[in-house]
Amino acid sequence: DVKLLQSGGGFVQPGGSLRLSCAASGFTFSIHGMSWVRLAPGRGLEWVSTIIGSGSVTHYADSVKGRFTISRDNSKNTLYLEMNSLGVEDTAFYYCAKDLAQLPHFDSWGQGTLVTVSS
Amino acid sequence: DIQMTQSPSTLSASVGDRVTITCRASQSINHWLAWYQQRPGKAPNLVIYDASTLEGGVPSRFSGSGSGTEFTLAISSLQPDDFATYYCQQYSSYPLSFGGGTKVEIK
Repeated sequence: DVKLLQSGGGFVQPGGSLRLSCAASGFTFSIHGMSWVRLAPGRGLEWVSTIIGSGSVTHYADSVKGRFTISRDNSKNTLYLEMNSLGVEDTAFYYCAKDLAQLPHFDSWGQGTLVTVSS
Repeated sequence: DIQMTQSPSTLSASVGDRVTITCRASQSINHWLAWYQQRPGKAPNLVIYDASTLEGGVPSRFSGSGSGTEFTLAISSLQPDDFATYYCQQYSSYPLSFGGGTKVEIK
């Protein structure tokens, strides 16, 4: 069974940093692109970032470009999201998600982790 | 960037009703469209991909259609489990984008 187990998140003040992790199991991690998607209170789903299987190519939403960094360690089957210069607008549930068939639509999701940015 | 517009934003229906949700893309995305179901407090679940392919394990009362810029998700006979929020997502090009969501609630 595919499992994506998230950790990290929590409460941080504006301007602060956090790192999210997503430990994967049950599939060949290194051949699948992985993404982060968030759900802010009262809003809809928002794509945040994608990294391809090898880790050599990344994509970011304009809203996080330059502040967030997606990465992966294929030896540890783990996906990361480093978030810097956090603002209140980044408050959301963050989900990691696995690409289906090497295309960025998502057939498995992590359980979600809440990031709260507040003073 | 491709904008995805869903309608309606809220839909009130009864068990057994047929419901349809529309998603429009600001430019052609061929058939590179997925639909997700999200219940409160839970992660999204993939329902349909490639515009019309049913994800494994999803009941056959769900169907998807469309190509280019206009797409539809239909539920043939609404069941209690189906009351949730539905999102479309284009994966034709980056940045990826979701529609604003359609909340299906009990009438």
